[in-house]
Amino acid sequence: GAGVSQTPSNKVTEKGKYVELRCDPISGHTALYWYRQSLGQGPEFLIYFQGTGAADDSGLPNDRFFAVRPEGSVSTLKIQRTERGDSAVYLCASSLSSGPGENEQFFGPGTRLTVL
Amino acid sequence: DAKTTQPNSMESNEEEPVHLPCNHSTISGTDYIHWYRQLPSQGPEYVIHGLTSNVNNRMASLAIAEDRKSSTLILHRATLRDAAVYYCILRALMNYGGSQGNLIFGKGTKLSVKP
Repeated sequence: GAGVSQTPSNKVTEKGKYVELRCDPISGHTALYWYRQSLGQGPEFLIYFQGTGAADDSGLPNDRFFAVRPEGSVSTLKIQRTERGDSAVYLCASSLSSGPGENEQFFGPGTRLTVL
Repeated sequence: DAKTTQPNSMESNEEEPVHLPCNHSTISGTDYIHWYRQLPSQGPEYVIHGLTSNVNNRMASLAIAEDRKSSTLILHRATLRDAAVYYCILRALMNYGGSQGNLIFGKGTKLSVKP
């Protein structure tokens, strides 16, 4: 079956611009996660949705970052007034639920964002 | 958050077993031990997880120390496709019965496999 997909695969933008990154989770997965990964580092948590609501947004670095999941499926990560430091690979993952010890996360290939 | 410590890098020869260690001395009684790996230019993928007992699946085995302060991921016969960064992650079992949502990644161990 189809895995997690992310679009675009690459995005180049200029400092100060607004960008949207899209994630299509695996059908039926209620949990959705956003991470970002800088070169040489492990992925860093941003936000987690359970259904339509953000269950944990403690990883969002500041108020320029926002994410939505209006119908409990597709999610969009929105970054306003982009800065060069926002350049990274943005990863999306989904899982069936948050059962104890289970809920393997399935990751998409990521969107590489470059802010010039 | 409970932390894990892994070597930065390891090397292996193809078709030989590989033992990837992870220390988690501050693990709590309800923390599960998860392993993910990330192949070059791809998102991470789940490998295996366990709580107290050793675990086996088609990809690997997980050996957990009796005191749970360390664990070892075992690849029985390394292939070139196993070259990746391997992450050892602790996931807390929350008091409502679910798992902590997000994964907390460290830098992992970069495994190189020589032909």
